[in-house]
Amino acid sequence: QVQLVESGGGVVQPGGSLRLSCAASGFTFSSYGMHWVRQAPGKGLEWVAFIRYDGSNKYYADSVKGRFTISRDNSKNTVYLQMNSLRAEDTAVYYCAKERTTGATIDYWGQGTLVTVSS
Amino acid sequence: SSELTQDPAVSVALGQTVRITCQGDSLRSYYASWYQQKPGQAPVLVIYGKNDRPSGIPDRFSGSSSGNTASLTITGAQAEDESDYYCSSRDSSGHHLVFGGGTKLTVL
Repeated sequence: QVQLVESGGGVVQPGGSLRLSCAASGFTFSSYGMHWVRQAPGKGLEWVAFIRYDGSNKYYADSVKGRFTISRDNSKNTVYLQMNSLRAEDTAVYYCAKERTTGATIDYWGQGTLVTVSS
Repeated sequence: SSELTQDPAVSVALGQTVRITCQGDSLRSYYASWYQQKPGQAPVLVIYGKNDRPSGIPDRFSGSSSGNTASLTITGAQAEDESDYYCSSRDSSGHHLVFGGGTKLTVL
């Protein structure tokens, strides 16, 4: 069965950096695009970034563009989110998510990792 | 601000039918996907495409679309359907994903 396990969350000061990882299993990782989606406490879902199956294209929400970088290592079945210049408003649970095929449907989500930006 | 608009809250009597809507210009070009999220849990896909359900999703969940509005219908709502529901689709650029603000469904 499909499993997505995020790690790397924690508490970081404003202006700091953090790298999230998502280990995937149960499917052919190198054939699917991957998303990061976040959810601030008590708020709705916000799409953060997407990377194509081969890493050839990456897309970012305006709110994180220039600060966050999505990448993947298909040999390790892992997708990453490098987060720099963190702000208080980046505080959220970050979910790793698998794209169903082409199109914009997410069919599997990880359990999420909490990132707290606070001094 | 979200490019997809949902009513913040909707209620339905147990066993009755409820429709949750999602409005946005991008829905004229792209299908919506619908996700159910219970407190403290990750979202779960319930409807995608024209009206497709992943394996394991009850057939009381259905989807439809007309113009700039997508709808999720629950026919015969159950107590366990009480959740937050989010729609999503591509945005107008076609490269980004966008979510609606979510609808909190209460089953009375």
